[in-house]
Amino acid sequence: AQSVTQLDSQVPVFEEAPVELRCNYSSSVSVYLFWYVQYPNQGLQLLLKYLSGSTLVKGINGFEAEFNKSQTSFHLRKPSVHISDTAEYFCAVVTVNTGGFKTIFGAGTRLFVKA
Amino acid sequence: GAVVSQHPSRVICKSGTSVKIECRSLDFQATTMFWYRQFPKKSLMLMATSNEGSKATYEQGVEKDKFLINHASLTLSTLTVTSAHPEDSSFYICSARGDSGSYRREQYFGPGTRLTVT
Repeated sequence: AQSVTQLDSQVPVFEEAPVELRCNYSSSVSVYLFWYVQYPNQGLQLLLKYLSGSTLVKGINGFEAEFNKSQTSFHLRKPSVHISDTAEYFCAVVTVNTGGFKTIFGAGTRLFVKA
Repeated sequence: GAVVSQHPSRVICKSGTSVKIECRSLDFQATTMFWYRQFPKKSLMLMATSNEGSKATYEQGVEKDKFLINHASLTLSTLTVTSAHPEDSSFYICSARGDSGSYRREQYFGPGTRLTVT
């Protein structure tokens, strides 16, 4: 069975500091990996995705993530955060096989950027 | 990227009434649509998956007679909360997926609907 673990429920960080939001997954089949951001009372916005190819993926708003197959991780990073980055971040794993299309979301990490 | 809309964005209804939420894919054909429910400060909980023209597949614990899902066309799915009660108050999010190219490998999310039952 597939699972996604976001190791930190909350991450407080000062403005302009770097940040890493951790995501680990387990799956017996090939996966696609996604990071979404959710601002209060809004839906999910895609930050970046890994489907194939280069393991370092760059997304919107200066975020990037690296797919590490041996460690089954897909950590999200940003070298310098802004107050506006305060939001909930969800890691998601997608499998597509004969059993169908399945998405599993992590529990979310609340990023709180302080001035 | 692909666009998915939801209507209404917010709705307040009285206990015992029914509420319909629409989810539309605006620029691609959504062969599969998903409905999620999100509780405050929680992750998304998949309620059901619907394929165009077929009955929805509900997740365990989700009452199919209470949460009616219709996916009658490739661009529209509706979720009707029947005889709503205050405990149904939540944030409902739909997403859509196509069957070709990148539309097949990811879901495109709507902006969500905030339902408040008084």
